[in-house]
Amino acid sequence: DQQVKQNSPSLSVQEGRISILNCDYTNSMFDYFLWYKKYPAEGPTFLISISSIKDKNEDGRFTVFLNKSAKHLSLHIVPSQPGDSAVYFCAARIGGSGNKLTFGGGTRVLVKP
Amino acid sequence: DAGVIQSPRHEVTEMGQEVTLRCKPISGHDYLFWYRQTMMRGLELLIYFNNNVPIDDSGMPEDRFSAKMPNASFSTLKIQPSEPRDSAVYFCASSTGVGTEAFFGQGTRLTVV
Repeated sequence: DQQVKQNSPSLSVQEGRISILNCDYTNSMFDYFLWYKKYPAEGPTFLISISSIKDKNEDGRFTVFLNKSAKHLSLHIVPSQPGDSAVYFCAARIGGSGNKLTFGGGTRVLVKP
Repeated sequence: DAGVIQSPRHEVTEMGQEVTLRCKPISGHDYLFWYRQTMMRGLELLIYFNNNVPIDDSGMPEDRFSAKMPNASFSTLKIQPSEPRDSAVYFCASSTGVGTEAFFGQGTRLTVV
């Protein structure tokens, strides 16, 4: 039972344009959501997060939007840069569970120069 | 800080052999997590510790898997006996507590032949 899903396995975007990555979840107990970025042969690195009490969080070129009623979140990268080419994972946490994260399957982003 | 350190980076072993993966978390972090990444199941949590105590091992696939954390600076994940289906990348991560992100090591790529 996949509680966190990223339905797009890959995304290709032109440099300078917007990248939009989507993530859906099923467990209404999730109260904190994170995005991680992963380069080949490296571990995932934290990118940005959002609490369930918010609907938007912004950090530089990265913005995460949360729609609790739809159980959907998205990551916007604008403008996209070639160095953003990586696999992006959406993750979610249930309150009171420590930092136990449930990850989506990942979306591979390719930013073309 | 050097970050989360995992060893070895690569391990190739024969079916039936014992395999031990090692992790040194970031100093001061009181949560430690072991994840496994496969093509079929993505990133899945195997077990996590808080203050060296195992909190949730529900993700450990079988009794062949065991994990220990003898002190705050060291953890092991052992597979005995190993099987080809255990081939995956195993990540260790650590964090300071609730509400903060987890920092991942570079992973150990395990191949069981």
